[in-house]
Amino acid sequence: KAGVTQTPRYLIKTRGQQVTLSCSPISGHRSVSWYQQTPGQGLQFLFEYFSETQRNKGNFPGRFSGRQFSNSRSEMNVSTLELGDSALYLCASSLTGPGANVLTFGAGSRLTVL
Amino acid sequence: SQKIEQNSEALNIQEGKTATLTCNYTNYSPAYLQWYRQDPGRGPVFLLLIRENEKEKRKERLKVTFDTTLKQSLFHITASQPADSATYLCALDMWDYGGSQGNLIFGKGTKLSVKP
Repeated sequence: KAGVTQTPRYLIKTRGQQVTLSCSPISGHRSVSWYQQTPGQGLQFLFEYFSETQRNKGNFPGRFSGRQFSNSRSEMNVSTLELGDSALYLCASSLTGPGANVLTFGAGSRLTVL
Repeated sequence: SQKIEQNSEALNIQEGKTATLTCNYTNYSPAYLQWYRQDPGRGPVFLLLIRENEKEKRKERLKVTFDTTLKQSLFHITASQPADSATYLCALDMWDYGGSQGNLIFGKGTKLSVKP
């Protein structure tokens, strides 16, 4: 079956712009989690959606937002980009949520902010 | 707040030896602990999950132990091969005591290099 698909794979933005990243989960998976990965901080949890509702949110500013659609596809948005937002953004899906369910990750979206 | 520490940022071993990676956590014990492998430029890939009431779990050349007294998990790769070179991440569930579903928090990973 198809894996988790993230688009775009690479993008370059300038400070102050905004960006939208997309994630298509594995068919049948209703939970989508987003993570930011940087060399210094590792994988940091952004938020998790289940059935179009945000169930959990990590410690990120309000510039980071997301949503989930009825088909479980998810998007995340970062507004007013800062240099420090340069990172690999990973989306992961699971059947009902993390914990006992394992996460299946996409290949990520590499964001560079200039 | 819950913290995860993977003691070694990097581990270099010779092919054929056993690699042992360590994951320590603070505060409460998670119900589940997971290990993932990540190759450069790729997303992490799930390897093993161990429950708090399980002492050990095996899958082919991989073995995970879980000691809730020491608040530690060990990840072993026996008969290591150069193809095992990657970053290995441990992750544990973090439950909201208010009753909502948990999320998974990750350690920073250990980069394993297996030399021929």
